[in-house]
Amino acid sequence: ETGVTQSPTHLIKTRGQQVTLRCSSQSGHNTVSWYQQALGQGPQFIFQYYREEENGRGNFPPRFSGLQFPNYSSELNVNALELDDSALYLCASSQAGDSSTDTQYFGPGTRLTVL
Amino acid sequence: GEDVEQSLFLSVREGDSSVINCTYTDSSSTYLYWYKQEPGAGLQLLTYIFSNMDMKQDQRLTVLLNKKDKHLSLRIADTQTGDSAIYFCAEKTSGTYKYIFGTGTRLKVLA
Repeated sequence: ETGVTQSPTHLIKTRGQQVTLRCSSQSGHNTVSWYQQALGQGPQFIFQYYREEENGRGNFPPRFSGLQFPNYSSELNVNALELDDSALYLCASSQAGDSSTDTQYFGPGTRLTVL
Repeated sequence: GEDVEQSLFLSVREGDSSVINCTYTDSSSTYLYWYKQEPGAGLQLLTYIFSNMDMKQDQRLTVLLNKKDKHLSLRIADTQTGDSAIYFCAEKTSGTYKYIFGTGTRLKVLA
């Protein structure tokens, strides 16, 4: 069973640019959630995708968008990057409809630095 | 409202027990989680507890839940240097899809 993987590991961009981060969910999982973790903070929920549709969204502007593909992998896109977007971006996968907890399993994250 | 609070730092000696505390505000929380984050890494699920439980034990880990006070704790028995990390508690409410995380407690284990 493979865990959650994310790419790239690190990324440096400049203000105004656009970035795409990728996530492969754990095998058997159909739901992907994205979180932003600023330095010294806990993760903040961005949005969740289930069956290729956005299933819920946190308090993030529309320039944060995403996709989920038929194989349940996902992308997070951020347009018009701002300095405050510098953070660790975490992807978590889960199995919606699981009778237990919908427990989310996290990937190692992508460290984005905006200069 | 949704808010999860944790103390920022905890320092213990190797072999002692560590107790990390967390308070939350959402009384409709159904599941509460503990995650561990080592430097530069993602979050590793340690354990979780359903809100109708008071306690859960898993090897060296004991989770206690006081639902009346909305207080959650994680006890690590026989703390080792490898336990040094940041520990996050998180809550999830039934019918929602997001986890609300605390700001994390940095545990330092002294040899």
